[in-house]
This record gives sequence, C-alpha cells and structure tokens, in this order.
Amino acid sequence: EVRLVQSGAEVKKPGESLRISCQGSGYTFTNHWITWVRQVPGKGLEWMARIDPTDSYTNYSPSFQGHVTLSIDKSIATAYLQWSSLKASDTAIYYCARRFRMVQGVLDFWGRGTLVTVSS
Amino acid sequence: EVVMTQSPATLSVSPGERATLFCRASQSIGSNLAWYQQKPGQAPRLLIYSASTRATGIPARFSGSGSGTEFTLTISSLQSEDFAVYYCQQCNDWPPYTFGQGTKVEMK
Repeated sequence: EVRLVQSGAEVKKPGESLRISCQGSGYTFTNHWITWVRQVPGKGLEWMARIDPTDSYTNYSPSFQGHVTLSIDKSIATAYLQWSSLKASDTAIYYCARRFRMVQGVLDFWGRGTLVTVSS
Repeated sequence: EVVMTQSPATLSVSPGERATLFCRASQSIGSNLAWYQQKPGQAPRLLIYSASTRATGIPARFSGSGSGTEFTLTISSLQSEDFAVYYCQQCNDWPPYTFGQGTKVEMK
C-alpha cells in the first residue's frame, strides 16, 4: 500500500525556522517526484514546488521561490519542506503528494497534510 | 502562468441527480488536465487525468471531457459520498501546475 506519512502539526512564531517531513512507503521512493501543495484553511490548492528524489533536482513556483526549500533523504525515503523565516501568511496546511509516473504533473497519492500555524 | 477558472463556485444537487462542473484554462493545455475531489478534513484524491481517464478505483459515474481550454467533469448520479469540493489542475505548463479555485458540490 502506497503511503505518504507527514509530520505533525506545528505552531511557530514569525521569524522562526521550520522543517516538515513526508515519508514515503509501499513504493520505490526514487521513482516518483514529490510535490508540495499549500492550502490556506478554507481556501483552494496552490502548487508550490517539486523535487526529484533521485538527484534532488527541484522546481519552484515563482510564488514560493526563495521562501521555501525542498530537500530529500533517500536513505529514509523522506522529503522535506523548510522555511528559514516564517511569516504569518505561511499559516496553512501543507500536503506532499506523489507524482503519477505515467503523466506529468498529476498527483496520484497524497499525504494527510501538516498544519502549520504561525502566530505571535 | 496558466489561470484555471472553475464554475460554478457552488453547485446544489439532489442525490441521484446529474452534476456538471466546468473548468476553463487561460490558454490551451491540450488534454493535460486532472480533476481531484476533496472532502472536509481530508487530502485531495485524484479522480481523472488526461482530461478523461479515470484513476484507479474511481467509479464509472465520474467522467471527464474536453480539450484545449474547456473541460467538464460530470457525475452521472450523485451519491451521498460525492458531496465535496472538486478541483481541476492543468498539467501542461510549468511551473507551476496551477489549480482552479474549486467547485463545492452541496446537497440541495
């Protein structure tokens, strides 16, 4: 069974750093890119960035470029999304999702999401 | 960036009725469109890719059509478990692979 298990909810203050994780299981981790998607509570989905677990090659949406960083630890089949300086506007649910191997851009399995709350 | 526009924002439908959702792209994306379903408190679930191909395990009452800039998701006979928010996503032009703003299907 394919699973993407995300780390738990976080509460942070503006300016703090944070790294959240997404661990894949039930499939060959390096065969599928991992994408991160943001959802502000009550709002829609925003495609943030993606990473190739094979070589850590990344693509970022212009809206998120420079504000977040993706990384991978292949040895433990885990992808990370990190911030060096959080803002209140980063408050959202962050989903990781696996790219469907047959078709570009399509996300066939999703994690349950990590709620990040940034508040002073 | 390709802008995806969904309509209507909210669709009120009775169980057993047909629901038709629309998605328009700001430029041609061929057949590179996916549809997702999201229920409250849950992650999105892939329904349709390549505009008209059902994902594994998706019931036949869900169908997708369209190409270029105009797309449709049809639920032929709405079941209670189908009340949710539906998102389209263009998978043609990156970055990013943009989503529509969603259509909420609610019980009439």
